[in-house]
Amino acid sequence: TQLLEQSPQFLSIQEGENLTVYCNSSSVFSSLQWYRQEPGEGPVLLVTVVTGGEVKKLKRLTFQFGDARKDSSLHITAAQPGDTGLYLCAGTQGNEKLTFGTGTRLTIIP
Amino acid sequence: GAVVSQHPSRVICKSGTSVKIECRSLDFQATTMFWYRQFPKQSLMLMATSNEGSKATYEQGVEKDKFLINHASLTLSTLTVASAHPEDSSFYICSARVRRGSYQETQYFGPGTRLLVL
Repeated sequence: TQLLEQSPQFLSIQEGENLTVYCNSSSVFSSLQWYRQEPGEGPVLLVTVVTGGEVKKLKRLTFQFGDARKDSSLHITAAQPGDTGLYLCAGTQGNEKLTFGTGTRLTIIP
Repeated sequence: GAVVSQHPSRVICKSGTSVKIECRSLDFQATTMFWYRQFPKQSLMLMATSNEGSKATYEQGVEKDKFLINHASLTLSTLTVASAHPEDSSFYICSARVRRGSYQETQYFGPGTRLLVL
């Protein structure tokens, strides 16, 4: 059973467009992280959110943690080819283990 | 800060040989490290949690006699794939946990090791 479902699974859009990736669960998480992973490399942490309703911005990326701490979203404005990669959400539930989402593979077409 | 390295980055071996992968936290001490496995086009699956000075805790379905984990120091954990077979071919990634404050914990990931068993 996958605790964290991401949608869409694949997304291919033109450079300059906006997009949103969703990370949903029926479970509550004490914290949630977003990572980007490029082929042949480990995931790189983008952000950690811990408070329900929290919004964090990282340049053109906006992350939101749901009020109930069961879901999160990642919005990218004016996507660029450098944004291409596998985006992974991951959550913790009070213990030390991270549960990863199913992943969203994003391709930005120049 | 919070850099994690893995060695080797890739390894090709014959079936039946054992392969050791090292995970190091370069600029911090990590009491807990984690080992993940990732198949092509899939997400990361936790294999085991490695605590310094104690036995690793394995996830359900992961053979502890197959994937031997040693966490001998605060900066080094090793994963040994014993008697590797082609089905063990995968991308193995480690992470080290950094605790910030009383509630926020962050894992920093290594660059991964690609194992190909022929």
